[in-house]
Amino acid sequence: DTEVTQTPKHLVMGMTNKKSLKCEQHMGHRAMYWYKQKAKKPPELMFVYSYEKLSINESVPSRFSPECPNSSLLNLHLHALQPEDSALYLCASSLGQGSGDTQYFGPGTRLTVL
Amino acid sequence: EDQVTQSPEALRLQEGESSSLNCSYTVSGLRGLFWYRQDPGKGPEFLFTLYSAGEEKEKERLKATLTKKESFLHITAPKPEDSATYLCAVQRGGGNKLVFGAGTILRVKS
Repeated sequence: DTEVTQTPKHLVMGMTNKKSLKCEQHMGHRAMYWYKQKAKKPPELMFVYSYEKLSINESVPSRFSPECPNSSLLNLHLHALQPEDSALYLCASSLGQGSGDTQYFGPGTRLTVL
Repeated sequence: EDQVTQSPEALRLQEGESSSLNCSYTVSGLRGLFWYRQDPGKGPEFLFTLYSAGEEKEKERLKATLTKKESFLHITAPKPEDSATYLCAVQRGGGNKLVFGAGTILRVKS
């Protein structure tokens, strides 16, 4: 089973709202990722957690705050977003053995910021 | 800087018309090259991982090959359900960041 689940599937929020995206995997993977994908563009890496510790932050604005409560869960907390943050947010996971790991993606959360 | 270029940007095929997608890359110390399929509004679906030049992998109508400078995704006798965007990504040694190409949009008509 190579399933990564994400909730919610769709989210509409105002610029003053606070919301969270959730990601879960039960494959025993120890690396988890957040990507942002705009229409007709490839995914762009935002954050990487390795063994529940933040290992990569691709200079993402502080209005995006990641959290990894345990090895199976990954959250992305959203606050004071801008309309240009509207995108498909993808979670992925991999074994965490280092480079060469295959990343498995979830179905994504379609975020619209009004 | 790592770079991945995919061609063509878009490809229209008739059902049964075989073809190939190209992924050219420049990366220092390649540790893996990955192919994904993505349907509109959905997450990328993993297809293949290739690790070294000369490696080939097959799955149904798809075959991926790797050289020191590029990878090909060969599609044999495609069907309409093969229509999707195909993404290529590379990973360098020492990290787990994927660098994606822009993708090839494939349309197969019956």
